[in-house]
Amino acid sequence: GENVEQHPSTLSVQEGDSAVIKCTYSDSASNYFPWYKQELGKGPQLIIDIRSNVGEKKDQRIAVTLNKTAKHFSLHITETQPEDSAVYFCAASLPAARQLTFGSGTQLTVLP
Amino acid sequence: NAGVMQNPRHLVRRRGQEARLRCSPVKGHSHVYWYRQLPEEGLKFMVYLQKENIIDESGMPKERFSAEFPKEGPSILRIQQVVRGDSAAYFCASSPQPHEQYFGPGTRLTVT
Repeated sequence: GENVEQHPSTLSVQEGDSAVIKCTYSDSASNYFPWYKQELGKGPQLIIDIRSNVGEKKDQRIAVTLNKTAKHFSLHITETQPEDSAVYFCAASLPAARQLTFGSGTQLTVLP
Repeated sequence: NAGVMQNPRHLVRRRGQEARLRCSPVKGHSHVYWYRQLPEEGLKFMVYLQKENIIDESGMPKERFSAEFPKEGPSILRIQQVVRGDSAAYFCASSPQPHEQYFGPGTRLTVT
């Protein structure tokens, strides 16, 4: 089955700086890669996703890039704000499967 | 728009009791998924259901766990004879089509 690895496990940045979180996946057939933000005591919130036919997608301060050859994808957050502080999870899904395989999460702390 | 609703939000059970977790998907969504999250870990897929059908239960423990999504009413995740190792956050997600999954706030189960 699919395996997703996520790095780093913790990340601290100064407000206004950029944050980058990276994930690798094992199955080259995976074709859907969402990112979720989870705040303490809440459910994961879908913030952006990308499909394998696209190399990059951007939504305001958030962007995701996908390198199918290397089997890795990254989340980029620019101009970070304290409210960006949360745990971020990447995930991957195979075409025939409906389940998401999650990474282990990154605790992002934005220091004011 | 109401999102995915889960109840109860917190559930305490003694060892050997039964736990019933409920999930109402977003109106119009016919795909429901259940995931389990242990402390400090990512989410692990348990089961995927459509109305009245279990599509994929590959992540569900073979014993004590069952799930349903009846024609009318919420999806139910049932855990019989709970043990301490069942303590976790259980999240339900729904989607209008495969892949894009929107999560509820979760049920935090504590087994004493």
